Amino acid sequence: EIVMTQSPATLSVSPGDRATLSCSASQSASINLAWYQQKPGQAPRLLIYATSTRAPGIPARFSGSGSVTEFTLTISSLQSEDFAIYYCQQYNDWPLTFGGGTKVEI
Amino acid sequence: QVQLRESGPGLVKPSETLSLTCTVAGGSITGYYWSWIRQPPGKGLEWIGYVYYSGSTNYNPSLTSRVTMSVDTSKNQFSLNLNSVTAADAAVYYCARVTRGLGIDYWGQGTLVTVSS
Repeated sequence: EIVMTQSPATLSVSPGDRATLSCSASQSASINLAWYQQKPGQAPRLLIYATSTRAPGIPARFSGSGSVTEFTLTISSLQSEDFAIYYCQQYNDWPLTFGGGTKVEI
Repeated sequence: QVQLRESGPGLVKPSETLSLTCTVAGGSITGYYWSWIRQPPGKGLEWIGYVYYSGSTNYNPSLTSRVTMSVDTSKNQFSLNLNSVTAADAAVYYCARVTRGLGIDYWGQGTLVTVSS
């Protein structure tokens, strides 16, 4: 299976800051990489799919980049509602696999 | 707007079978992969497997010996059975839709399953 590794585990930032989250795959995920946001007590929400395409309704401050084994989620200017846990996930091959998550905290 | 809702017991005894059903509203079950994903309290996400609308299945190798999934297109429902549960199976269980080329685009709200005698 493709093992997904996220860094850092925790990112401490201030509102208005730029946040950069990293995700690496143990083998090629091509561009079949998604990012999800999860807030306490809620299901994850799809933010980005196909590495860089924003899901419907996702603000433009969220952007994704990368390919093959290295991927990045950037939040250009953090808003209060963006403090959450972010997961990357590959869907290039079964089983689907998730990274361990990055917690973005104030 | 597609909505998914999990239903089933919130408490299962050790060694017994965990059974959950997901009802899909606002869209057809046809053409998609329907998945179960779980999240132990305070931990990350684990994909359990999928059932395709045709009935074909694919399970996580770590769970394949204990998992069975099925679909009922007439009811717009799909189900999960996980047998021989232990405390390690306690988690929030999510049902979700996987769309080819897009990932997991719809999630249920999740249901907490506790394993205890």
